[in-house]
Amino acid sequence: DIQMTQSPSSLSASVGDRVTITCRASQSITNYLNWYQQKPGKAPNLLIYAASYLQSGVPSRFSGSGSGTAFTLTISSLQPEDFATYYCQQSYSTPVTFGQGTKLEIK
Amino acid sequence: EVQLVESGGGLVKPGGSLRLSCAASGFTFSDAWMSWVRQAPGKGLEWVGRLKSKTDGGSTDYAAPVKGRFTISRDDSKNTLYLQMNSLKTEDTAVYYCTTHISSWLVSWGQGTLVTVSS
Repeated sequence: DIQMTQSPSSLSASVGDRVTITCRASQSITNYLNWYQQKPGKAPNLLIYAASYLQSGVPSRFSGSGSGTAFTLTISSLQPEDFATYYCQQSYSTPVTFGQGTKLEIK
Repeated sequence: EVQLVESGGGLVKPGGSLRLSCAASGFTFSDAWMSWVRQAPGKGLEWVGRLKSKTDGGSTDYAAPVKGRFTISRDDSKNTLYLQMNSLKTEDTAVYYCTTHISSWLVSWGQGTLVTVSS
């Protein structure tokens, strides 16, 4: 199985900050990497697919990059509604696997 | 608008069975690949399994912890996805989400249904 490792596991930041979350795969997944945001008590929401493509309706302050084994999710200027947990997910092969999550909290 | 509505969750004893349903609308269900993803209380997301569309072969894949105990099926005439869960264990306690794919990403999610396995 492909292991997905996110860092950091938690992060404190302020409104307006630029934030980067990293996701590493245990083997190459080319660009089969997706990012999801989850708020407490809610279902996850797709932000980025195929490593760098912004899902329709997602604000442009979110961006993704990377290929192979190393990927990043960047939020260019944090807004109050961005405080949530973020998950990466590889869809290169089954079983599909998720990172452990990064909880983004208000400083 | 895509809608996925799960139902069928509840409290079940270890060793018991439960069938979850996911009613889909707003897209051509018969063409869609569908997955179940679960989340144990306070934990991260865990993929359960996937069912391809019949036109793509209709095959299933499962995560190792549920293989042989869980079965995903669909009724395209009812636009409904199912998850039959047998031999339930306490570690199967989770919110179960129904999701639909575009290509290989999970584009739409239901609100989830809670399954609690406890004596």
